[in-house]
Amino acid sequence: QKEVEQNSGPLSVPEGAIASLNCTYSDRGSQSFFWYRQYSGKSPELIMFIYSNGDKEDGRFTAQLNKASQYVSLLIRDSQPSDSATYLCAVNGYSGAGSYQLTFGKGTKLSVIP
Amino acid sequence: GAGVSQTPSNKVTEKGKYVELRCDPISGHTALYWYRQSLGQGPEFLIYFQGTGAADDSGLPNDRFFAVRPEGSVSTLKIQRTERGDSAVYLCASSLWGQSTDTQYFGPGTRLTVL
Repeated sequence: QKEVEQNSGPLSVPEGAIASLNCTYSDRGSQSFFWYRQYSGKSPELIMFIYSNGDKEDGRFTAQLNKASQYVSLLIRDSQPSDSATYLCAVNGYSGAGSYQLTFGKGTKLSVIP
Repeated sequence: GAGVSQTPSNKVTEKGKYVELRCDPISGHTALYWYRQSLGQGPEFLIYFQGTGAADDSGLPNDRFFAVRPEGSVSTLKIQRTERGDSAVYLCASSLWGQSTDTQYFGPGTRLTVL
């Protein structure tokens, strides 16, 4: 069974600091990796995706992927109170039953303290 | 443009009743997914449609759950003889082709409560 593990938190950081969110996955055949942000009572919203080893930057967000270690991370620089949410790591891999499925972690709850 | 829409936003039903949940994907997206999210958990895959056909229904928990997408656009998730354990948020997502690198865009979800 494919698994995606995240530290559930809560992770508290002061405003302006760097928040570091981590994720490991079990399926070595996984091909693409996504970070979604979910505010309480809302649906997941895509933050970033990454397909290749290394870093990918988009504004204040940097995704890092290390396929050899089966590890994905998300760094949020200059954290803002509006970044307070649950961050879901999702891994896309072939299900073996006809589709590419997203397997999600349980999410890490981030609180940015003003 | 318009995103994924789902109706109703909330559904309260009694144990044993039948419910239908509707999803309208982003126009032009051929791939449609249903997920279920319980409190404190990430979304869990239920079923995937490519066009009109259910290409992968391996995530459906049992035969009380069924979904259709008759014209390749709107999809309906149907739950028979609902149980209290079916209470969750049901999320629909769509993507352009259903490929591994496609981004899945989620709708607002339907919160189902079975009393």
